[in-house]
Amino acid sequence: RKEVEQDPGPFNVPEGATVAFNCTYSNSASQSFFWYRQDCRKEPKLLMSVYSSGNEDGRFTAQLNRASQYISLLIRDSKLSDSATYLCVVNGRGSYIPTFGRGTSLIVHP
Amino acid sequence: GAGVSQSPRYKVAKRGQDVALRCDPISGHVSLFWYQQALGQGPEFLTYFQNEAQLDKSGLPSDRFFAERPEGSVSTLKIQRTQQEDSAVYLCASSLLTSSYEQYFGPGTRLTVT
Repeated sequence: RKEVEQDPGPFNVPEGATVAFNCTYSNSASQSFFWYRQDCRKEPKLLMSVYSSGNEDGRFTAQLNRASQYISLLIRDSKLSDSATYLCVVNGRGSYIPTFGRGTSLIVHP
Repeated sequence: GAGVSQSPRYKVAKRGQDVALRCDPISGHVSLFWYQQALGQGPEFLTYFQNEAQLDKSGLPSDRFFAERPEGSVSTLKIQRTQQEDSAVYLCASSLLTSSYEQYFGPGTRLTVT
């Protein structure tokens, strides 16, 4: 089993839709969790950190479920500009080694 | 301020050539990471520096890969005797302290080995 797993998608949704992605991780000792966004042929950029209590930033909500070892990202009112690959990142193997999932592709269409 | 820069942006190497990829992190960032990203995959960890110390190189795929950060700022990833399977995008990222903090990525170097 891979350390961090994501459904690669693509998730194809219309503008205005709500979409959610999950990311599962295998190391129960993992401490830090992030969602990054990567546009085609560009570098990843931090979207948001994921806190134990869950956190929200505008249309984006991230949650952590330690018992089931997954993090989630919810996007409300999808925009065309949300089309990208969403990478989850978990500090798993050590306290400082980040492990990336393979990413989930989101396509928002008119 | 300047972000993370990488050079060259594109590199075509003949099989068997040596290549050197450069990363200029954000000034003052303690941590520096190198990743390899294949098409359709997430970045795969290669190696990690805290200042000039290489604390982890467990992700380097073979002894043909070597990285250094001698003065705790600029880093170079060297690949000797390149092979076709080395073709990928090599990403560098820096972080203010540890990876518990946000990582800032450079634009990457796209390496093609022919």
